[in-house]
This record gives sequence, structure tokens and C-alpha cells, in this order.
Amino acid sequence: EVQLVESGGLVVQPGGSLRLSCAASGFTFEDYVMFWVRQAPGKGLEWVSLITWDGGTTQYADSVKGRFTISRDNSKNSLYLQMNSLRPEDTALYYCVKDIDILTGDDYWGQGTLVTVSS
Amino acid sequence: QSALTQPPSASGTPGQRVTISCSGNSSTIGSSNVYWYQQLPGTAPKLLVYRNNRRPSGVPGRFSGSKSATSASLAISGLRSEDEADYYCGAWDDSLSRPRVFGGGTKLTVL
Repeated sequence: EVQLVESGGLVVQPGGSLRLSCAASGFTFEDYVMFWVRQAPGKGLEWVSLITWDGGTTQYADSVKGRFTISRDNSKNSLYLQMNSLRPEDTALYYCVKDIDILTGDDYWGQGTLVTVSS
Repeated sequence: QSALTQPPSASGTPGQRVTISCSGNSSTIGSSNVYWYQQLPGTAPKLLVYRNNRRPSGVPGRFSGSKSATSASLAISGLRSEDEADYYCGAWDDSLSRPRVFGGGTKLTVL
């Protein structure tokens, strides 16, 4: 069974930093592109960042570019999101997502970890 | 403001057919595949349609997707009360050379 378990969400002051983690299991982690999606309270989905199988390519939404860094450790089946210079508008539930299996359409999301940026 | 435009709300009665639109441009939908997600209250999104019109196993045939030029649609036929949810479109290609984008979401109400 595929599982994605996020952790690291906290209340942090504006300008602060936070590192989110996602522990993956139930599939061959190194075979999949992984990404982060966030959802502010009562708002829609916002795609944040992706990383390729070997970490060689990353992409970021304009809203987080230069402040957030995505990374992965395939030996630990883990995905990370380093978040710096946090702003109140970064307050959201952050989901870890396994890319879609194009052959089957299988798609998996974690339950999310809540980041609150507030003084 | 999202790169993809969806109506904020839609509604229908049980048994009816409802369509949700997703509008983009040549840089988004026009050069990408479209994906549709359903999000029930308090839960993570679930994929309904991928690569414009393919359904994952387990998704009922009542849900169907289509794409034309720079816009896309999700159609739900035989509407049921359990279809009441938020629906999001997304657009991205396989090249991994561009950021991915979601629409702002559509709240579907079953009257």
C-alpha cells in the first residue's frame, strides 16, 4: 500500500524557516517524480514544486522561487521542502504528491502538514 | 489569480448532466495535457481524469474529460449527491521543463 506521510508543519514567524519532510513507502520511490502542492485555508490548490527521479531537475511556482528548495533522498525514500523567508501568505496545508502513473492513472497524495506563518 | 480559469460554482439536480469548464491559453492548456481532480471536504484531492480524457481505474464512467485548443471540460452525467465537492483542473506536459498549474477550483452543489 502506497503511503505518503508529511511532517514538519509548525507555527513560525514571518521571515522564519521550516523544513517539511515526506516519508514514502509502498512503491519504488526512485522511479517517480515527486511534488508538493499547498492549499491555504478555505482556498484552492496551488502547485508548489517538483523534483525528478534523481533530483537533477526541479521546478518551482513563481510565488516560492528563490525562497523554497525541494530535495529528495532516495536512500531514505524521503522528499523534503526547505522553506525560507516565510510570509503569511505561505500559510497552508502542504501535500506531498507522487506523480501520476501514466499507465494506470494511479495517483497518491499524503494527508498534508499544516504550516502557519504568523507573529 | 490562477493561470487556469474555472467558474467558482456550478450546480445540478440528481440525474442531471453537469459540465465544468477550464480555460487557459496557448502556453498552458494549448501545449499541455489536462488533469481533473475531485476534493471532498476534509480530504486530499483525488484524480478523476488524466491526459485530457483518460480515467484511472475505479473512477466511474460518469466522469469524462475533453480538451479543445486552449480550453477543457469535465462532464459529470447521472449526477449524484456524493458528487458534491470541489473540482480542480490542472495542466502540464511530460517534459518537466515548466512549472505545473491548477485552476482556481469549482464548487459543485447537488441541489
